[in-house]
Amino acid sequence: GAGVSQTPSNKVTEKGKYVELRCDPISGHTALYWYRQSLGQGPEFLIYFQGTGAADDSGLPNDRFFAVRPEGSVSTLKIQRTERGDSAVYLCASSPGLAADTQYFGPGTRLTVL
Amino acid sequence: GESVGLHLPTLSVQEGDNSIINCAYSNSASDYFIWYKQESGKGPQFIIDIRSNMDKRQGQRVTVLLNKTVKHLSLQIAATQPGDSAVYFCAENLTGANSKLTFGKGITLSVRP
Repeated sequence: GAGVSQTPSNKVTEKGKYVELRCDPISGHTALYWYRQSLGQGPEFLIYFQGTGAADDSGLPNDRFFAVRPEGSVSTLKIQRTERGDSAVYLCASSPGLAADTQYFGPGTRLTVL
Repeated sequence: GESVGLHLPTLSVQEGDNSIINCAYSNSASDYFIWYKQESGKGPQFIIDIRSNMDKRQGQRVTVLLNKTVKHLSLQIAATQPGDSAVYFCAENLTGANSKLTFGKGITLSVRP
């Protein structure tokens, strides 16, 4: 079946602009995660959804970052007033929903802030 | 394109040899561990996992060993192939917590033909 998909695959924006990154999880997966990966580093946790609600947003770096999952499926990560330091690959993962389930990752969105 | 393996430790092995990739994890309370493989320009791909009530688990050509005493995890790849060349990450999780994965430092595996 289809895996996790993310759009766009690449996004180039200017400093100060607003961006939205989309994630389509594996069908039926209730848990959804966002991670950020900088060059040469492992992914770092941003936020975790169980269903429609954000169960843990402790990884969001500041209030410019926000994520939603209004219907418990597709999620959108929103970044306001982008800064050059936001440049990274943003990864989405999903799992069936039980704690400590295997998380399956999408291909990521490479965000470049000029 | 850019390599996720840039600046990471590198393990170079001859095609056909066995590879051993090591990882030290950080939280002694973690009870679920996963190895991921990441190729350039792609997301992490699940390889194998192990729970803390086990010390060894085998998959196809891969074996994961867990030593909770010293908080050490290893991934063994048998008969390494060129397609195994990638960055490998271990990740840990704590059941009952927020389910976020904490990733270790990646290691680049380079397979010489």
